[in-house]
Amino acid sequence: GIQVEQSPPDLILQEGANSTLRCNFSDSVNNLQWFHQNPWGQLINLFYIPSGTKQNGRLSATTVATERYSLLYISSSQTTDSGVYFCAVEKRFGNEKLTFGTGTRLTIIP
Amino acid sequence: SAVISQKPSRDICQRGTSLTIQCQVDSQVTMMFWYRQQPGQSLTLIATANQGSEATYESGFVIDKFPISRPNLTFSTLTVSNMSPEDSSIYLCSVVSGVGQPQHFGDGTRLSIL
Repeated sequence: GIQVEQSPPDLILQEGANSTLRCNFSDSVNNLQWFHQNPWGQLINLFYIPSGTKQNGRLSATTVATERYSLLYISSSQTTDSGVYFCAVEKRFGNEKLTFGTGTRLTIIP
Repeated sequence: SAVISQKPSRDICQRGTSLTIQCQVDSQVTMMFWYRQQPGQSLTLIATANQGSEATYESGFVIDKFPISRPNLTFSTLTVSNMSPEDSSIYLCSVVSGVGQPQHFGDGTRLSIL
């Protein structure tokens, strides 16, 4: 099956810092989505981004499908950004089924 | 996006018992899925809940252990049967409103087996 690797696995930053999270996948995909799992376990969809660049406030994401990677940028980090960030991909002809990456645990220190 | 209600939010169960988790959506959706998240791990797809027919299970998951129902376009249940401590996980339902739409998740059911 398709492999989805994220880096770094852990990231600890001071409040106000910027960060870049990476997602590599091993095969062609229909779509890619980024999620944030907060410390209470809730999973929030951040971006639906099969290709190109999208921005939402302090967050932006870029997917380069031909090179099989995606990046999530977080600027001016806040403590509420803490949690685990997952990318997930739907493989070709995947019927909307998602394969999740390994996750990046982000901790923002005040 | 759709509002997804998942019940119960958490439970502690005895070994050998079964628990049914409910997922209710406030609007009709095309796809519903069930995922498992073991402690400290990523999410793994259990099955696709098909409306009016048997669920489609992923490799490593079987109907006898995880029976799923989806009687209509807004409701699904997942039963975790004959539970053992290895079944202690968060179970999440997710929905997709249409082709090319983002996937949204319920708040999950945190299950502990003693």
